[in-house]
Amino acid sequence: GENVEQHPSTLSVQEGDSAVIKCTYSDSASNYFPWYKQELGKRPQLIIDIRSNVGEKKDQRIAVTLNKTAKHFSLHITETQPEDSAVYFCLTGTASKLTFGTGTRLQVTL
Amino acid sequence: DAGVIQSPRHEVTEMGQEVTLRCKPISGHNSLFWYRQTMMRGLELLIYFNNNVPIDDSGMPEDRFSAKMPNASFSTLKIQPSEPRDSAVYFCASRNPGSSYNEQFFGPGTRLTVL
Repeated sequence: GENVEQHPSTLSVQEGDSAVIKCTYSDSASNYFPWYKQELGKRPQLIIDIRSNVGEKKDQRIAVTLNKTAKHFSLHITETQPEDSAVYFCLTGTASKLTFGTGTRLQVTL
Repeated sequence: DAGVIQSPRHEVTEMGQEVTLRCKPISGHNSLFWYRQTMMRGLELLIYFNNNVPIDDSGMPEDRFSAKMPNASFSTLKIQPSEPRDSAVYFCASRNPGSSYNEQFFGPGTRLTVL
């Protein structure tokens, strides 16, 4: 089955700095790469996703990059704000099976 | 649409008791997922259904866990007998694979505490 590794497990940045979270995967058939954000006590929600035919996607302060050759993809958050503090999960797989990464707890400090 | 609905939101029970968690997916979504979340193990996929049929139950921890989806608008996850190590937040999520997006929409979760 798919093996997804997510790093780092915790990340602390100062407000205004950038944050980068990386995931690596093993299944070359994976073609869908979403990122979910889970605030404390709440449900995971999709924040951005990318498909295998695209190398990069950006939505305001967040972006995702994909390197299919190396089998890794990353979440980039620029100009971080306190409300970005949450746990972020990568997922990867196909339409029939998605696997969650282990999560990254991001703390944005003032 | 009210989104994915889960009940109860909180459940406290004693070891050995039967627990039933319920989920109503978003209307029109034909894939449904059950997840378990703990601090130690993170988010784990327990089972998912496509068109009411269980497709992958490899994440179900043991025979004490069972899940059913009798129709497109309802699913249950049952634990019998429950144990303290089953304490976790259980999420249900639904998805419409027929759309151009594969986003999973999560319910609010059920926080289960087994004493």
